[in-house]
Amino acid sequence: DAMVIQNPRYQVTQFGKPVTLSCSQTLNHNVMYWYQQKSSQAPKLLFHYYDKDFNNEADTPDNFQSRRPNTSFCFLDIRSPGLGDAAMYLCATSISDREYEQYFGPGTRLTVT
Amino acid sequence: GENVEQHPSTLSVQEGDSAVIKCTYSDSASNYFPWYKQELGKGPQLIIDIRSNVGEKKDQRIAVTLNKTAKHFSLHITETQPEDSAVYFCAASLYNFNKFYFGSGTKLNVKP
Repeated sequence: DAMVIQNPRYQVTQFGKPVTLSCSQTLNHNVMYWYQQKSSQAPKLLFHYYDKDFNNEADTPDNFQSRRPNTSFCFLDIRSPGLGDAAMYLCATSISDREYEQYFGPGTRLTVT
Repeated sequence: GENVEQHPSTLSVQEGDSAVIKCTYSDSASNYFPWYKQELGKGPQLIIDIRSNVGEKKDQRIAVTLNKTAKHFSLHITETQPEDSAVYFCAASLYNFNKFYFGSGTKLNVKP
């Protein structure tokens, strides 16, 4: 089945130790999004790619970076995780920036110790 | 920017009863309104959506209504079942750009 896959599902990292989360999709969608969702809160958009064009939200900390080496894969890099970065990280895709439906992956739960 | 408010934050109903969740938005340029269901430990799943040129949409037990003048939209679930228990998020999207502004979520508990 076509889908959005996130690995790992659970990630534990130490304070200040870089961590990378990955997302892959078999939908062949042009747009990929990264959201941060803290406990009992709504998902918050960090950035998105339209093909290789990167779009950063104004309030996304510099500590968060992203890479999209090809259509299928997108990575979220957290350069120096702090305790406040513990959250669920959700990847989503959509066909284009003019097609509305976003398909979400199952998320990666990040714990910072 | 757009601001979406969602009420109530928690909702408890008896199995078989109806549930209604309401959202308001601030930007009249918003033209797409999806509803997502998120079960514990999972990503959000789209359950129904509506565009601004439509006032109501129904899919089996789920319906969404949109009042553009008042800038509010609502999710209606009839004949609720225990498997409807989850957190529901509304969202609004501005024309010509697929950025979602999410509401704060409603935790629905359907008691058997």
